[in-house]
Amino acid sequence: DGGITQSPKYLFRKEGQNVTLSCEQNLNHDAMYWYRQDPGQGLRLIYYSQIVNDFQKGDIAEGYSVSREKKESFPLTVTSAQKNPTAFYLCASTDSPTNEKLFFGSGTQLSVL
Amino acid sequence: GEDVEQSLFLSVREGDSSVINCTYTDSSSTYLYWYKQEPGAGLQLLTYIFSNMDMKQDQRLTVLLNKKDKHLSLRIADTQTGDSAIYFCAESKRNYGGSQGNLIFGKGTKLSVKP
Repeated sequence: DGGITQSPKYLFRKEGQNVTLSCEQNLNHDAMYWYRQDPGQGLRLIYYSQIVNDFQKGDIAEGYSVSREKKESFPLTVTSAQKNPTAFYLCASTDSPTNEKLFFGSGTQLSVL
Repeated sequence: GEDVEQSLFLSVREGDSSVINCTYTDSSSTYLYWYKQEPGAGLQLLTYIFSNMDMKQDQRLTVLLNKKDKHLSLRIADTQTGDSAIYFCAESKRNYGGSQGNLIFGKGTKLSVKP
């Protein structure tokens, strides 16, 4: 079955630590996105990638980094520079950058120890 | 501004109709979307409407669009307990690095269905 897989489901970060959230899709989608969701808030775009080896900053990119070395994979690293990382992180994809119908993974809850 | 506004909570009784309202900002949005999020899960595209339509019906779901007032609504007929979730309205974010997959989401309306 095609879909987007995010792992882990839950992740804990210690002070000063970088952590990486995984996002893998087997939908053959070109574009991939990372959103952050805080309780009672809408989704905010962190980074997006329209094509392999290319990505752009979203609205709240500070303290985060991404890579897109393979079409299927778009990992997100939450660096120690992100002072308030506790949130629910959602990865999404679309079959092309001009398609607005996002297909989401099941999310990763990141908490700070 | 770029805000998409929704009321945060709605409570209905099982079998009643639910109406979730949304106001958006960009009159040039091609599509407007409704997403559903169940607890601890990702968002699922529920339905969408093309901007040149004023109504779309899909089984128990009816979407109404008033472009003049930039108002979008989602009506769920015969609401069931399984409809309990957070519903997000979303519009396109134009002229943002060329990617049209970047949507502006409202904060979500939490629908509670009481038996």
